[in-house]
Amino acid sequence: EVVLTQSPATLSLSPGERATLSCRASQSVGSSLAWYQQRPGQAPRLLIYDASNRATGIPDRFSGSGSGTDFTLTISSLEPEDFAVYYCQHRGYSWTFGQGTSVEIK
Amino acid sequence: EVQLVESGGSLVQPGGSLRLSCAASGFTFGNYAMGWVRQAPGKGLEYVSVISGFGAETLYADSVKGRFTISRDNSKNTLYLQLSSLRAEDTAVYYCANTFPTSTSLYFQHWGQGTQVIVS
Repeated sequence: EVVLTQSPATLSLSPGERATLSCRASQSVGSSLAWYQQRPGQAPRLLIYDASNRATGIPDRFSGSGSGTDFTLTISSLEPEDFAVYYCQHRGYSWTFGQGTSVEIK
Repeated sequence: EVQLVESGGSLVQPGGSLRLSCAASGFTFGNYAMGWVRQAPGKGLEYVSVISGFGAETLYADSVKGRFTISRDNSKNTLYLQLSSLRAEDTAVYYCANTFPTSTSLYFQHWGQGTQVIVS
């Protein structure tokens, strides 16, 4: 089963800064990777699917890239509502999530 | 607008059973596979189970296989999860989600707000 490793565990940034989150797969997953955002006390929300496609209604400051084993979620300029936990996810034999990256206010 | 509303979570003793429900609206329910994902306190997301649109195919995480049963009633636009032989490690918020198919995969698109299950 594919293992997804996210880094860093915590990212401390200020509003307006650029955030770069990484997700590494233990074996190639092609482009079959999604990113979710979970704000405190809320349900997760699909941000990016198939590695680089924004889900409906997602602002264009969010972008995804990568293929194979290395993937990146970039938030070009952090808004106050972007401080949250972000998970990557792949569906292989089963649906696997990374352990999450917390983007916190510096 | 897609809405998913979970219910049925509660405090239950180890070894007990519970049935969770998820009422769906705002989309053609029977056209979409549906799933359950859980989140233990302070932890990350964990896939639990998925069921196909007509209910013919069901998939489970190894951690719940043989103890949990997913089902759906398309006439009622409702998804269910029967939890049995519950353990302390099943304590979590349980989310239902509809799925979004692409040419390469299947993702969880819209999520409910979750229902809390405490096994103690």
